[in-house]
Amino acid sequence: GAVVSQHPSWVICKSGTSVKIECRSLDFQATTMFWYRQFPKQSLMLMATSNEGSKATYEQGVEKDKFLINHASLTLSTLTVTSAHPEDSSFYICSAITSGRSGRETQYFGPGTRLLVL
Amino acid sequence: SQQGEEDPQALSIQEGENATMNCSYKTSINNLQWYRQNSGRGLVHLILIRSNEREKHSGRLRVTLDTSKKSSSLLITASRAADTASYFCATDSQGAQKLVFGQGTRLTINP
Repeated sequence: GAVVSQHPSWVICKSGTSVKIECRSLDFQATTMFWYRQFPKQSLMLMATSNEGSKATYEQGVEKDKFLINHASLTLSTLTVTSAHPEDSSFYICSAITSGRSGRETQYFGPGTRLLVL
Repeated sequence: SQQGEEDPQALSIQEGENATMNCSYKTSINNLQWYRQNSGRGLVHLILIRSNEREKHSGRLRVTLDTSKKSSSLLITASRAADTASYFCATDSQGAQKLVFGQGTRLTINP
């Protein structure tokens, strides 16, 4: 159980376009989802915390107008990279926490989305 | 900001040997978790140890936690080629759900 999916798994786009990445919890309801980015051979950096039905909380240094996060339902959160530039190329990973279960502290991670901006 | 530091950054051993990775952190925590990441893939949760626990086992994995030294170790016994991956520790600050990841250890198991 506790499967998280991401779509797409990889995307290549031209500079200046917007890209939407979906994160879904497949077999549980996720009250909280997290978005991370990971550069090659580096660790995961938390970008924002997304709570269903409320505005996302962004980490310091993350532009909320550039990285739009929507958590419209208990099973879906989306990250939109607006006006993407080559420096936004990265591996984006989401995770989800389920409430009301003993493993509430465990974050279940999606498989990641690799974004390449040309 | 990243609060976890791991060492070594890279570790290469022969199949069958044991691999030990260490993690240090800076603030008080509720628990510490270890994750594995295969190249270009998502994270797989390995084990969670709570702040009031000192040692935990799961199959070939053994995790220790020393809150007085703010450090943890992950031991993989009888390593296999399939254990080749990056391993990350992650901590959550008391009262917060979000995780802070260490820099990771790239483990290579040579057949």
